[in-house]
Amino acid sequence: AQKVTQAQTEISVVEKEDVTLDCVYETRDTTYYLFWYKQPPSGELVFLIRRNSFDEQNEISGRYSWNFQKSTSSFNFTITASQVVDSAVYFCALSLIQGAQKLVFGQGTRLTINP
Amino acid sequence: DAGVTQSPTHLIKTRGQHVTLRCSPISGHKSVSWYQQVLGQGPQFIFQYYEKEERGRGNFPDRFSARQFPNYSSELNVNALLLGDSALYLCASSAFTSGGAPVNEQFFGPGTRLTVL
Repeated sequence: AQKVTQAQTEISVVEKEDVTLDCVYETRDTTYYLFWYKQPPSGELVFLIRRNSFDEQNEISGRYSWNFQKSTSSFNFTITASQVVDSAVYFCALSLIQGAQKLVFGQGTRLTINP
Repeated sequence: DAGVTQSPTHLIKTRGQHVTLRCSPISGHKSVSWYQQVLGQGPQFIFQYYEKEERGRGNFPDRFSARQFPNYSSELNVNALLLGDSALYLCASSAFTSGGAPVNEQFFGPGTRLTVL
C-alpha cells in the first residue's frame, strides 16, 4: 500500500519569507508519480506539478521549486518570496503508473501568508 | 475550454436518503475519478472509470456506486446516507493511452459539498 505523510499541519509566515512544505511517501513500487496540489478556500484542487519516479531532477517554476529525493522518499515544495495569494491548503499525493490512477493524498498543510 | 464540471454545488440530505452527484469531464478525457474529502483531511479515492468500465475502487462500502455514460460523464450514487458521509465530493478527469498509462495529471472539478443531517 502507498502512504503519504505531510507532518506540518499548519505553517504561518510573513509575506516575502521563503517557506518549505515537507512530503514523505511510502511505496514498494518502483514506478510512480508524485504530485503537489493547491486547494484555495473555494475548494477546487489546483494541479501544481507531477514528477515521475525515474526523474529526480529538481524543478523550478517561478517562485515555486520542488526537491525530489528518492534516497529519503521525500518530495518537498518551496515557495520563495511568499505572497498572500499563496495562502491555501497544499496536498502532496502519489499514484502508481500502472493500474488505476488512484491518487493517495497526504493530510495537507495549511499555509497562511500574513501581510 | 471548459474544465471539469460538477453538480449540484451544495446538497443537504437527511440520514437514510439517497443522493446522486454528477460530473462532466474535460472534453477529450475518457476517465473520471471520484474522491471524498472529509473536513480537515486529504481526499480519499472512491472510484475510477475509464471507457465506461470501473478501473479501480477504493475502500468504501457498497452503499457507494458509480457509473460512466457514453459521453464520459459520470454519476456517483450513495444510498442509505450516514452522518459520516458529509464531505466534499470531488470529481477528476484524465486522459489515458491505449496501453493504460496516464497521459497527464488529473484535473479536479469544484466539488459538491454534501451535508447529511
